[in-house]
Amino acid sequence: EVQLVETGGGLIQPGGSLRLSCAASGFTVSSNYMNWVRQAPGKGPEWVSVIYSGGETYYVDSVKGRFTISRDNSKNTLYLQMNSLRVEDTAVYYCAKGLVVVAGGSGIFDYWGQGTLVTVSS
Amino acid sequence: DIQMTQSPSSLSASVGDRVTITCRASQGISSFLAWYQQKPGKVPKLLIYTASTLQSGVPSRFSGSGSGTDFTLTISSLQPEDVATYYCQKYDRAPWTFGQGTKVEIK
Repeated sequence: EVQLVETGGGLIQPGGSLRLSCAASGFTVSSNYMNWVRQAPGKGPEWVSVIYSGGETYYVDSVKGRFTISRDNSKNTLYLQMNSLRVEDTAVYYCAKGLVVVAGGSGIFDYWGQGTLVTVSS
Repeated sequence: DIQMTQSPSSLSASVGDRVTITCRASQGISSFLAWYQQKPGKVPKLLIYTASTLQSGVPSRFSGSGSGTDFTLTISSLQPEDVATYYCQKYDRAPWTFGQGTKVEIK
């Protein structure tokens, strides 16, 4: 059974840093493309970042240069290092496994963790 | 970036009704379109991808159609457990963006 468990959220002041973790079970993180998706209170989801099996990474423009996605293959765990946090980064952060489909394309999220809340406030 | 616009933003229908939600992309995205269901206080759940392919385990009363810029999610017979917010999402190329959501309630 696929499971994703996020940890590391909390209350942080603007300009601060946090590292989120996502422990995966039931599949191998390094063999899949893995994502972080966030959802601000009362808003729709927003894709944040992806790491592909080959190690390539991509980010939404609003977090480029501030957030870094990575993984530890030995721990089967995904990470999101968040620096220079802003009030507008306040959201529940989900890790999500990517679905590979025959028709092509990536960016479909078939399994989601329960999320971890990040609150950026002074 | 391509914008995804859903309509209506909310709707109220009776149990057994046919419900249709529309999603429009600001540019063509072929069939790279997914639909998610998010029940109150829960995590988003994948319903449909490639515009019309039902994810495993999703009830057959859900269906999707469309290509290019105009897409539709249909619930053929609304059930009480379908109360949720539904989001479309394009994945032709990054950034992968979601619509603003359609809240479905029971009348």
